[in-house]
Amino acid sequence: EVQLVESGGGLVQPGRSLKLSCAASGFTFSNYYMAWVRQAPKKGLEWVATISTSGSRTYYPDSVKGRFTISRDNAKSSLYLQMNSLKSEDTATYYCARHLLASYVMDAWGQGASVTVSS
Amino acid sequence: DIQMTQSPASLSASLGETVSIECLASEDIYNNLAWYQQKPGKSPQLLIYYASSLQDGVPSRFSGSGSGTQYSLKINSLESEDAATYFCLQDSEYPPTFGGGTKLELK
Repeated sequence: EVQLVESGGGLVQPGRSLKLSCAASGFTFSNYYMAWVRQAPKKGLEWVATISTSGSRTYYPDSVKGRFTISRDNAKSSLYLQMNSLKSEDTATYYCARHLLASYVMDAWGQGASVTVSS
Repeated sequence: DIQMTQSPASLSASLGETVSIECLASEDIYNNLAWYQQKPGKSPQLLIYYASSLQDGVPSRFSGSGSGTQYSLKINSLESEDAATYFCLQDSEYPPTFGGGTKLELK
């Protein structure tokens, strides 16, 4: 069974940093592109970052480019999201997700980690 | 960025009815359209990808269709467990973008 378990969420002040982790199991992690997707309270979904299988290529929307960094450790089957210079509009539930092969479509999602940016 | 306009924003239907949800893309997305179901407090679940391909384990009462800029999700014979919010996602072009969601309530 595919499992994605996020951790590291919490309350953080504006301008500070936070790092999310995602532990993957039930599939060959190193074979898949991985992503982070967020959902602000009572809002829709927003793609945040994608990383290639080796970690050599990363992709971000303009809203987080330069502030967020996605990374992975294939030996540990783990995905990470380093979030710097956090803003109140970054408040959301952050989901770790697996990409379908050769697609931006996400076919497996974690349960989410809540991040609240507030003073 | 490609804009995805989803309609309606909400709908109410009865058990056993058939409903359709629409997504309109701001440009041709060449069938690169997925549909997700999200229940309150849960993560999204993939229903349909490439416009009409049913994800493994998804009941056959769910179906997707469309082409070009217009796509739809159809749910036949509504069951109580179908009460949820549904989102479309275009993955034709970077960045992938989601529709605003349709909240389906069962009467």
